[in-house]
Amino acid sequence: GENVEQHPSTLSVQEGDSAVIKCTYSDSASNYFPWYKQELGKRPQLIIDIRSNVGEKKDQRIAVTLNKTAKHFSLHITETQPEDSAVYFCAASMGGTDKLIFGTGTRLQVFP
Amino acid sequence: NAGVTQTPKFRVLKTGQSMTLLCAQDMNHEYMYWYRQDPGMGLRLIHYSVGEGTTAKGEVPDGYNVSRLKKQNFLLGLESAAPSQTSVYFCASSYRPGTSGIGVGQYFGPGTRLTVT
Repeated sequence: GENVEQHPSTLSVQEGDSAVIKCTYSDSASNYFPWYKQELGKRPQLIIDIRSNVGEKKDQRIAVTLNKTAKHFSLHITETQPEDSAVYFCAASMGGTDKLIFGTGTRLQVFP
Repeated sequence: NAGVTQTPKFRVLKTGQSMTLLCAQDMNHEYMYWYRQDPGMGLRLIHYSVGEGTTAKGEVPDGYNVSRLKKQNFLLGLESAAPSQTSVYFCASSYRPGTSGIGVGQYFGPGTRLTVT
């Protein structure tokens, strides 16, 4: 079946450094790729998304890139801050539908 | 707007007991979803609904039932709880995608932590 692989599972960076999280998907019909941030004990929150007709999208310190040929997409966070510490999930739409398959998450720790 | 809300926040059940989780949204979203979140496994779709009166199975539907009698509410039922259903349950909702068919963002509720002993 369809799946989304996410790497790394944990990532530690110094404040001010950049962080990159990568995901690969298996379903060539996937056309929507959101990223969610989940702080401890809280709900997942949509932070950025990208659609299949776009290769890159940026919103202040976060950006997402999509390579449809290779079936992978990445989240880039620049100038990291301690409040960026959280678990980040990628997701891909299933078979062109509205259902999402989620990656297993990346725990990002930003040290002051 | 309250967004997406869930009731209850916490619950402990004994094996074999039943319960219903309630999800409500005030954003006039057409689509609603129920997920479970287990350590190291991300979010897995249990059931979803594309409109009032309609429901469909997701990745892990066994042991759960759902109903969408009103557009703003989506109920998740456990008829006979099992320890394997210990998890955090999240509800989400979204608009209907446009004619392009490309997906739209889902907005999550605060979650229900369920323990089955």
